[in-house]
Amino acid sequence: AQTVTQSQPEMSVQEAETVTLSCTYDTSESDYYLFWYKQPPSRQMILVIRQEAYKQQNATENRFSVNFQKAAKSFSLKISDSQLGDAAMYFCAYRTRQGGSEKLVFGKGTKLTVNP
Amino acid sequence: DAGVIQSPRHEVTEMGQEVTLRCKPISGHDYLFWYRQTMMRGLELLIYFNNNVPIDDSGMPEDRFSAKMPNASFSTLKIQPSEPRDSAVYFCASSFQGQLAKNIQYFGAGTRLSVL
Repeated sequence: AQTVTQSQPEMSVQEAETVTLSCTYDTSESDYYLFWYKQPPSRQMILVIRQEAYKQQNATENRFSVNFQKAAKSFSLKISDSQLGDAAMYFCAYRTRQGGSEKLVFGKGTKLTVNP
Repeated sequence: DAGVIQSPRHEVTEMGQEVTLRCKPISGHDYLFWYRQTMMRGLELLIYFNNNVPIDDSGMPEDRFSAKMPNASFSTLKIQPSEPRDSAVYFCASSFQGQLAKNIQYFGAGTRLSVL
């Protein structure tokens, strides 16, 4: 079974600075998807960025980018020019591309605090 | 669209009581997911439906949990009898095939369940 590990329960960053959140995963599959979700205090889960494993190029969405290291099974999220609104729980997630399953496997999350 | 609507937002009940959580997916979505979030286990998929049919219920913890989707606009997650260890935030999410191909699920705001 696939597992997702986020080793940093909490992180903090100064406004306008850059922060990197770590995520590692374990799988025997070669084709899959990886995601970062944001959960603000409102509790809604918001998709931040996604990466297809077959793509070598790292995904980027505005101030958010990932460092995808397939061999190392690592998928970190970099937030540039951090803003107060970035404060939230961040979840890394994995989804297989095999068998037609729509199941997402999540890490336990990293709580990000942004200091003014 | 109002998004995925869950009710109630908060539920407090006593051990042994029956609890019913409700979800209204986004209109036109044909996939519906139920997740549970706890500090210990993070975010876990309990069950998901496609066209009102349960597809994968392998995450349902035990027989005390049941989920139904009588029509495309409504789903329930029932716990009977409830136990203190069921205390968690329960999320509902919906999607449709086109968005699932992009791996996008839309989450509700969750129901915080406390079993005393």
